[in-house]
Amino acid sequence: AQSVTQLDSQVPVFEEAPVELRCNYSSSVSVYLFWYVQYPNQGLQLLLKYLSGSTLVKGINGFEAEFNKSQTSFHLRKPSVHISDTAEYFCAVRGPNTGTASKLTFGTGTRLQVTL
Amino acid sequence: DVKVTQSSRYLVKRTGEKVFLECVQDMDHENMFWYRQDPGLGLRLIYFSYDVKMKEKGDIPEGYSVSREKKERFSLILESASTNQTSMYLCASSLGPGQVLNYGYTFGSGTRLTVV
Repeated sequence: AQSVTQLDSQVPVFEEAPVELRCNYSSSVSVYLFWYVQYPNQGLQLLLKYLSGSTLVKGINGFEAEFNKSQTSFHLRKPSVHISDTAEYFCAVRGPNTGTASKLTFGTGTRLQVTL
Repeated sequence: DVKVTQSSRYLVKRTGEKVFLECVQDMDHENMFWYRQDPGLGLRLIYFSYDVKMKEKGDIPEGYSVSREKKERFSLILESASTNQTSMYLCASSLGPGQVLNYGYTFGSGTRLTVV
C-alpha cells in the first residue's frame, strides 16, 4: 500500500516570499503523485501531477514540484506567493495497479497562510 | 467543465436519524468516491464505486453505506447518524482505470454535516 506524509500542518509566509510545502511518500513500487489545492469553502482542484518523464513538474498558478525518487519526496514550490494562494494543499499518491478503480491516497494537508 | 454537485452545502441532523448525502456528476465518469475530511486527518476514503450497482469499501466504511443505481448519481447513507460522524463530506468522480492518470479526480464543493 502507498502512503504520503505531509510534514507541516501549517506554513505561514509573507506575500512575495518563496514557499516550499513538503511531501514524502512510501511505496515499494513506482507511483504517481499529485498535488491538490482547496480554497476556503470549496472542493479540491488539481494543481499538478507527476506520472513519468521529467522530474520537474509545472502546474497552475505558478506552482511547481520536483519528484525525487531517492528521497521519496514530491515537494511543492512557488518562488513568490500571493495572498490568493492562502489555501490548504494536499499531496496524493496512487500506485501502478489500477484494480477496480484508481484510488488516490491523500496526505493530511498543509495549510498555507499568506500575509502582507 | 466537469461538474460534481453535492445536494447540500450544510446539513444538521439529530443523533439516530438516517441521513442521505447525494452526489451527481455530469460527465459520464465511471468512478465515484466518497471521502470525509477532518482537521489533521486529511481525506479518508469511505466508499467508492467503479460502475453502476458496484461498490467497494474504502478505509473507513463503518457506519456508512452507499448506493449507485444510476451512473451519474452516488449516494452516501448514514444508517443511524452519530456525533462522531460530524464532518465535511466530499464526493469525487473520475474516468475509468488508466484514464484517471490524465484527468485526476473532480471534486464537489462538499457537504458539512453536523450531527447533534
